[in-house]
Amino acid sequence: GENVEQHPSTLSVQEGDSAVIKCTYSDSASNYFPWYKQELGKRPQLIIDIRSNVGEKKDQRIAVTLNKTAKHFSLHITETQPEDSAVYFCAASWGSSASKIIFGSGTRLSIRP
Amino acid sequence: DVKVTQSSRYLVKRTGEKVFLECVQDMDHENMFWYRQDPGLGLRLIYFSYDVKMKEKGDIPEGYSVSREKKERFSLILESASTNQTSMYLCASLRGPDEQFFGPGTRLTVL
Repeated sequence: GENVEQHPSTLSVQEGDSAVIKCTYSDSASNYFPWYKQELGKRPQLIIDIRSNVGEKKDQRIAVTLNKTAKHFSLHITETQPEDSAVYFCAASWGSSASKIIFGSGTRLSIRP
Repeated sequence: DVKVTQSSRYLVKRTGEKVFLECVQDMDHENMFWYRQDPGLGLRLIYFSYDVKMKEKGDIPEGYSVSREKKERFSLILESASTNQTSMYLCASLRGPDEQFFGPGTRLTVL
């Protein structure tokens, strides 16, 4: 069945350094790839997304890249700050607006001061 | 702004009890979802609903049922709670074509 694998499960980086989280998906029909950030005790919130007709998207310190051939996509956070500490989930979905969405297992990102 | 609320933040129930988790959204969205979140497993879809009285099974529907009698309310039902259903339960509503907007979550403990 459809699957999304996410790595690493935990990531610790020095404040100011970059962080990269990678995901692979199994269904080549996937056409929408959101990233959610969940701070401790709070709900997951969408931080950036990319569609299958785009290879890269950037929003300030956050960027996402998509390689459709290899079926993987990555989240890049530059100049990390303490408030970036959270659990990040990638996801892949396909089909209509009522389609299923499959989430990765999450990455706990810690920023060291 | 979209508001998705869940009936309880924390809930403690005993094995065998019937449990109702309620989710309400105030933006007239058609699509609503129930997930459970467990460490190392991410968010797993239990059920989703794309209209009143319409529902579809997600990846892990066993032991759960749902009810969508009104557009704004999507209920998750545990007919006979078991300890392996101890988890964080997240409701979501579809904002825009694809973005899921999540509720605050209900942490359920089954003793």
